[in-house]
Amino acid sequence: AQSVTQLDSQVPVFEEAPVELRCNYSSSVSVYLFWYVQYPNQGLQLLLKYLSGSTLVKGINGFEAEFNKSQTSFHLRKPSVHIRDTAEYFCAAANFGNEKLTFGTGTRLTIIP
Amino acid sequence: DAGITQSPRHKVTETGTPVTLRCHQTENHRYMYWYRQDPGHGLRLIHYSYGVKDTDKGEVSDGYSVSRSKTEDFLLTLESATSSQTSVYFCAISEESYEQYFGPGTRLTVT
Repeated sequence: AQSVTQLDSQVPVFEEAPVELRCNYSSSVSVYLFWYVQYPNQGLQLLLKYLSGSTLVKGINGFEAEFNKSQTSFHLRKPSVHIRDTAEYFCAAANFGNEKLTFGTGTRLTIIP
Repeated sequence: DAGITQSPRHKVTETGTPVTLRCHQTENHRYMYWYRQDPGHGLRLIHYSYGVKDTDKGEVSDGYSVSRSKTEDFLLTLESATSSQTSVYFCAISEESYEQYFGPGTRLTVT
């Protein structure tokens, strides 16, 4: 069974500083990876996805993530954060042939003015 | 935004009462999912559906049942609500691409 680990439950970052949110997955079989963002009192919105091809994936709002098969990681990065990036971020994974997503426990990103 | 609505958006109910949450989609997507979100647990899958009348359990299905009689509607029922089922419930849909689109959520409080 797939498992997803987000080691950092909270990440405070100064405005305009870079940020990396870490995500590791467990399965070694073909895997699809996602990052979702949840703004306060809202549902989840897809930020970016890796299905195949280039290991560097660009998403909305200036975020990008890199798929690293050898380290089973899919870390999310942004070179310069803004106040509006304050939200909770969830990493998720699905194995090929299985339509179910497994989510990590989430990372709350707080931007400090 | 994907056409997904959830009703009700907020509900307070008493322990032991039945509760039904509704998810409605206008996208004609094949797959529908029910999750619960709790602090420290992320999202956990309760049940999912891969077609009309085709459903299966997720990782936290105890105390919940689902039904899907039409492509567009997926109902989640708590037969006898307990305080441990106080949570935020999200519905999601997808179509053969593993990419899921989420509804706005239902906040359920069981007193």
